[in-house]
Amino acid sequence: SQQGEEDPQALSIQEGENATMNCSYKTSINNLQWYRQNSGRGLVHLILIRSNEREKHSGRLRVTLDTSKKSSSLLITASRAADTASYFCATAAYASGGSYIPTFGRGTSLIVHP
Amino acid sequence: DAGVTQSPTHLIKTRGQQVTLRCSPKSGHDTVSWYQQALGQGPQFIFQYYEEEERQRGNFPDRFSGHQFPNYSSELNVNALLLGDSALYLCASSLTPSQPQHFGDGTRLSIL
Repeated sequence: SQQGEEDPQALSIQEGENATMNCSYKTSINNLQWYRQNSGRGLVHLILIRSNEREKHSGRLRVTLDTSKKSSSLLITASRAADTASYFCATAAYASGGSYIPTFGRGTSLIVHP
Repeated sequence: DAGVTQSPTHLIKTRGQQVTLRCSPKSGHDTVSWYQQALGQGPQFIFQYYEEEERQRGNFPDRFSGHQFPNYSSELNVNALLLGDSALYLCASSLTPSQPQHFGDGTRLSIL
């Protein structure tokens, strides 16, 4: 089963616009991560936000986390055609042995038109 | 500095066969995880290796097994292949089990 669920499933925008993707999850987490996947490639880690953080920025990316609503959002500002990709949220909780395993949602497919 | 490398990039097998996929982690990383990603889905965790031992396992049958070598590279073995095993198999490595993961580009496995 997939813990995180992204919304919308697909998003189509024009270059220069902002893109917002949402992620909802069901159980308590230690952190939430966002990844990007270009077609046919592996995932690239974008940003990690811990459960005690509410907002985090990295370049044109802004991530928020609301643990009371069990939701997160990823905002990409001033989008570029190169941002076209699938975006996944991954929730993680500590497992035995000190590791934690990210559980991925189905992703949001973002298309940015030049 | 090479990232995570996987081989082969593509593989075609028939039902009932066995397959071995290989992964070399990013330099300095000692934790390797394997994921299965079906078309249009997110990655599903198969298992994680650390210090040459399987530390965590997802909801996959025993047909899926793995190994980690002293140089931290890893193999994923799948026996008695089924049509439903067709997927992109991703390997990810991290500095420690609790750090963010770096992914390879995957092996595309097609079962005929």
